[in-house]
Amino acid sequence: GEQVEQRPPHLSVREGDSAVITCTYTDPNSYYFFWYKQEPGASLQLLMKVFSSTEINEGQGFTVLLNKKDKRLSLNLTAAHPGDSAAYFCAVTSSNTDKVVFGTGTRLQVSP
Amino acid sequence: NAGVIQTPRHKVTGKGQEATLWCEPISGHSAVFWYRQTIVQGLEFLTYFRNQAPIDDSGMPKERFSAQMPNQSHSTLKIQSTQPQDSAVYLCASSSDRVENTLYFGAGTRLSVL
Repeated sequence: GEQVEQRPPHLSVREGDSAVITCTYTDPNSYYFFWYKQEPGASLQLLMKVFSSTEINEGQGFTVLLNKKDKRLSLNLTAAHPGDSAAYFCAVTSSNTDKVVFGTGTRLQVSP
Repeated sequence: NAGVIQTPRHKVTGKGQEATLWCEPISGHSAVFWYRQTIVQGLEFLTYFRNQAPIDDSGMPKERFSAQMPNQSHSTLKIQSTQPQDSAVYLCASSSDRVENTLYFGAGTRLSVL
C-alpha cells in the first residue's frame, strides 16, 4: 500500500525565513494531494489541495509544488511568521481507493 | 454547518474498562474516517465507511477495537478492555466526494487510560 514519508519531523526558523517541508510517496497511482495544518490543541485544517493536473499552487504566504515524476510534494512557506507555528501534514489519496494516507508530520516553530 | 462533531472531547478510563467514542459527520457527507494520533506514531489510519458500509479496517487493532456506522448521521468507535497504550487523540473526519476526498476533521476525543 501507499507509504508517505515526510521530512523534516521538526523545523525551527526565524520570522521572515522560508521553511520547506517535503513528502515523498510510493504509489504511482496517487492522484490527489493535500496539506493540513494543525495548530496546538486544535484539529487538522485543510491548507491546500493539489491535483494531478496541477504542479504549482500558491496560497497566502506559501507555495505547494508537486513533482509526479519524483513522487514528491513540498510545502514552502516563503516568509514564515509566528502564526505559522503548527504541525503540518501532507496527505495522499489514490485514484484506486478512498483511503487517505498521511505523512508523519512536521512540527514547525517560528520564532520572532 | 456545524462541522464534524466528536463527543466526548475528553475521556478518562481505568485499565480494562470500555470506551465508546462518537462522531457525527457533516450532513450530506458520505464517508467517515477514523484516525488515532499520538506523539510517537503520528496519524494512524484506523478505519473508514462509505455510505455506512465498512470499506477498510486495516488499521484497527483486531482484538479490542470495533467501529460501526448504524446510520448516516453518526459513527462510533468502541474500545474494549482499554489499555494504557490506547491513550491517544482519536480523530474522526468526513468527506463528501469520493474522487477528491477532502477530509474535514472533528476536534478529536482525547482518551486517557489510567
